[in-house]
Amino acid sequence: EAQVTQNPRYLITVTGKKLTVTCSQNMNHEYMSWYRQDPGLGLRQIYYSMNVEVTDKGDVPEGYKVSRKEKRNFPLILESPSPNQTSLYFCASSRRDSSYNSPLHFGNGTRLTVT
Amino acid sequence: GQQVMQIPQYQHVQEGEDFTTYCNSSTTLSNIQWYKQRPGGHPVFLIQLVKSGEVKKQKRLTFQFGEAKKNSSLHITATQTTDVGTYFCAGSNFGNEKLTFGTGTRLTIIP
Repeated sequence: EAQVTQNPRYLITVTGKKLTVTCSQNMNHEYMSWYRQDPGLGLRQIYYSMNVEVTDKGDVPEGYKVSRKEKRNFPLILESPSPNQTSLYFCASSRRDSSYNSPLHFGNGTRLTVT
Repeated sequence: GQQVMQIPQYQHVQEGEDFTTYCNSSTTLSNIQWYKQRPGGHPVFLIQLVKSGEVKKQKRLTFQFGEAKKNSSLHITATQTTDVGTYFCAGSNFGNEKLTFGTGTRLTIIP
């Protein structure tokens, strides 16, 4: 089954404790991206990757890191989480074979709470 | 930077009534996409519009892309309880692969 898998689904942590949210897709998609969703703000892009070893900042990259060593994986790293990073996070992927943006396939989300 | 606004933020309708959400961009878009997120779920792609003035239908859902390619709308006829969720538009500029999401419209249905 074609899917984007995020782990964990829920995570409660304390300020300053490094964490990683994993994201993996089995559709051989070139493009992957991380979003955070907050009430009233919609989906805001954190980082995205056009292909292996190519990553770029989105709209809200501060406090986050990503890597794209393999095509299928795109982990999100919070080196020193803070309470303002409490949010619902989504990983998404898509093809890059047309002039227009291909539809995004989203993971099930990770609800992160930083105390 | 590119901004995409959606109105209204919330909409409560009686089951059977119609519903419309509007999406407005500060810049001309190359294409616009619409997604639906059920409560507790993740966004799911509904449709993509690329031509000026384009209209597409999916059963009770009608999607429009404005002539100037700066606005779009989603209209649901005779809402049902299965339509509950948050609807997002997302657009990008020509030559820019970055997709910017609107703030979303949360639809609730009163049975």
